[in-house]
Amino acid sequence: DVKVTQSSRYLVKRTGEKVFLECVQDMDHENMFWYRQDPGLGLRLIYFSYDVKMKEKGDIPEGYSVSREKKERFSLILESASTNQTSMYLCASRGPGQRANYGYTFGSGTRLTVV
Amino acid sequence: AQSVTQLDSQVPVFEEAPVELRCNYSSSVSVYLFWYVQYPNQGLQLLLKYLSGSTLVKGINGFEAEFNKSQTSFHLRKPSVHISDTAEYFCAVSDPAASGGSYIPTFGRGTSLIVHP
Repeated sequence: DVKVTQSSRYLVKRTGEKVFLECVQDMDHENMFWYRQDPGLGLRLIYFSYDVKMKEKGDIPEGYSVSREKKERFSLILESASTNQTSMYLCASRGPGQRANYGYTFGSGTRLTVV
Repeated sequence: AQSVTQLDSQVPVFEEAPVELRCNYSSSVSVYLFWYVQYPNQGLQLLLKYLSGSTLVKGINGFEAEFNKSQTSFHLRKPSVHISDTAEYFCAVSDPAASGGSYIPTFGRGTSLIVHP
C-alpha cells in the first residue's frame, strides 16, 4: 500500500511564525497535493506539484508556498502564520495520467492551531 | 467548472438500518466519480470509484454506489450500518474536460454519518 506520511499530527504555532508542514510518500508518485479542510467548507486545494521543482497554485494559495526538491517530499510553508490559517492540512499523492483514476492516497493530516 | 453537491450535511441513523448519502454533480460528458471516508482525526480513505462500465460499484466495508448519468448523481448506500461507520463521507468528481486534463477532482463539502446504537 502507498503510504503518505505527514510529519506532525498536531502543531501549535504563534502568529507571525514561519511554519513548515512536511509530507513524504513512498510509492514514487509524480503528483502531490496540499489541501486544507475546514468545517462546512470541505477540502480546498492550496498547491499541487506534478514533478520535482514544479508547482502549481490551487484555489487558495495566498499566504502559502511549497517546495518539492525531491520526488517523495512535498512541503507546505506558511510564510507568516495567521490565526485564519488554523485548520486541518491534508497531503495527498497519486500516479500520473490515467493512473489518476486510481484516486488519491491521503496522509493522516496535520491539525495546525495558530495562536 | 465542475460542482459537487452533497445534499445532507448530517445523516443520523440507527445501527443496522440502511443508509443513503446523496451526491449530485454538474453535468458533463465524461466524469470519474469517487467516494472517500474520513474517520475521526484521520485522513481520507478511498471507499469506491466509478470509472466506466457497470453503473453499480461496490466498495470496501459493504458500501456501494450507483452512477446515474441522466440525474448526474452518484449516491452511496449501505444496507445495514454499524457504529464503526460513523465518519465523514466525501463525494468527489474528476472531470478531465473541466480541469484542463489535470484530473484534479472537485470535492463535495462532506456528509457526517452518525450511527446511533
